[in-house]
Amino acid sequence: AQSVTQLGSHVSVSEGALVLLRCNYSSSVPPYLFWYVQYPNQGLQLLLKYTTGATLVKGINGFEAEFKKSETSFHLTKPSAHMSDAAEYFCAVSHTGGFKTIFGAGTRLFVKA
Amino acid sequence: DVKVTQSSRYLVKRTGEKVFLECVQDMDHENMFWYRQDPGLGLRLIYFSYDVKMKEKGDIPEGYSVSREKKERFSLILESASTNQTSMYLCASRPERANTEAFFGQGTRLTVV
Repeated sequence: AQSVTQLGSHVSVSEGALVLLRCNYSSSVPPYLFWYVQYPNQGLQLLLKYTTGATLVKGINGFEAEFKKSETSFHLTKPSAHMSDAAEYFCAVSHTGGFKTIFGAGTRLFVKA
Repeated sequence: DVKVTQSSRYLVKRTGEKVFLECVQDMDHENMFWYRQDPGLGLRLIYFSYDVKMKEKGDIPEGYSVSREKKERFSLILESASTNQTSMYLCASRPERANTEAFFGQGTRLTVV
């Protein structure tokens, strides 16, 4: 069975500071990993994904994430936070042959001026 | 532009009513999903469908049913609404391949009074 754990339900950073949102997964088969962002009263949209190949993946809005198999992690980072980054972020996992995508509980990012 | 459209953004229903939430996608995706989103609990899968007339229970199917008569449309039915079904409901669709992302609708915020 697959599962996703996001460490920290709330993260607060100052504008211009590093953003680090943590995600650990559990999977008995090679995973596909995703980060989604949700702005208030909207659905989720894809930030980035890892399927195969390069373990450092870049996404929209300056975000990137690194797949570390040995640590079963897929942490999301952005070098410099912007006020517009304030949103909820979800890590998710799926695998070949699987119908479902499993989501973490989400991390709400606050950005202080 | 790809699109998943949910029929209502906000709904208020009375306890005991039968409630229909409709979702339409224009991407010819095989898989469609209904999630429920509650604070601190992330996205929980209610039901999913991998083909017309096919459906599978997710993690929290009790009190819900679904219908998929056409490939593009996936309906969620609350047989007899209860106050504990007050929540945000998100519909998503995804191609058959698991290494592809899901596309989400804007969500329906349902309040049962």
